Amino acid sequence: GAGVSQTPSNKVTEKGKYVELRCDPISGHTALYWYRQSLGQGPEFLIYFQGTGAADDSGLPNDRFFAVRPEGSVSTLKIQRTERGDSAVYLCASSLGPSLARANYGYTFGSGTRLTVV
Amino acid sequence: QQQVKQSPQSLIVQKGGISIINCAYENTAFDYFPWYQQFPGKGPALLIAIRPDVSEKKEGRFTISFNKSAKQFSLHIMDSQPGDSATYFCAASKETSGSRLTFGEGTQLTVNP
Repeated sequence: GAGVSQTPSNKVTEKGKYVELRCDPISGHTALYWYRQSLGQGPEFLIYFQGTGAADDSGLPNDRFFAVRPEGSVSTLKIQRTERGDSAVYLCASSLGPSLARANYGYTFGSGTRLTVV
Repeated sequence: QQQVKQSPQSLIVQKGGISIINCAYENTAFDYFPWYQQFPGKGPALLIAIRPDVSEKKEGRFTISFNKSAKQFSLHIMDSQPGDSATYFCAASKETSGSRLTFGEGTQLTVNP
């Protein structure tokens, strides 16, 4: 597709439930990022994939959060035992490669999944 | 530790005026400084970016000024238009981190007609 697609756009779940958030990056983009944006805040880094592997997962807040990208394209962010504090917009972004500065291109973000834990 | 501080939190400008948003960073290893624009319900979109080897970059009505010694950079929007009303984020990254971005807290810009 022309842009980064994230599904669902909205997700309401009960505390303690498991959720999966999906990201379809731009075709050919090898780098994929997940960020979390709380209301009134800037996006916070969660995890970065280069190809199929997680090159940097240091932003994941705890072991309830996990992400995969098995074929180097679509990625899924998984949250176990959701808590009310997990409520936020989860943004996915992709880029042609990891070197934004060298090529002077930026990420392309999707519109995000708004997760509400009640 | 907040590595990128952004101000002001909100800004109201009249149509045709100049909007100025400032950011300061702490990590001297940062080597790429983009600005993103975000409309409600959308993801951030890259507006303009600069590397520390230049002091200014201009693209249309948007200009980044960069002061390496002060560890500060700013976004200037000339001839501001109501369509520029959005939230603006500065960010910073370092090459060796795989371009993981550290964002500022955002500035909500309102341009009155």
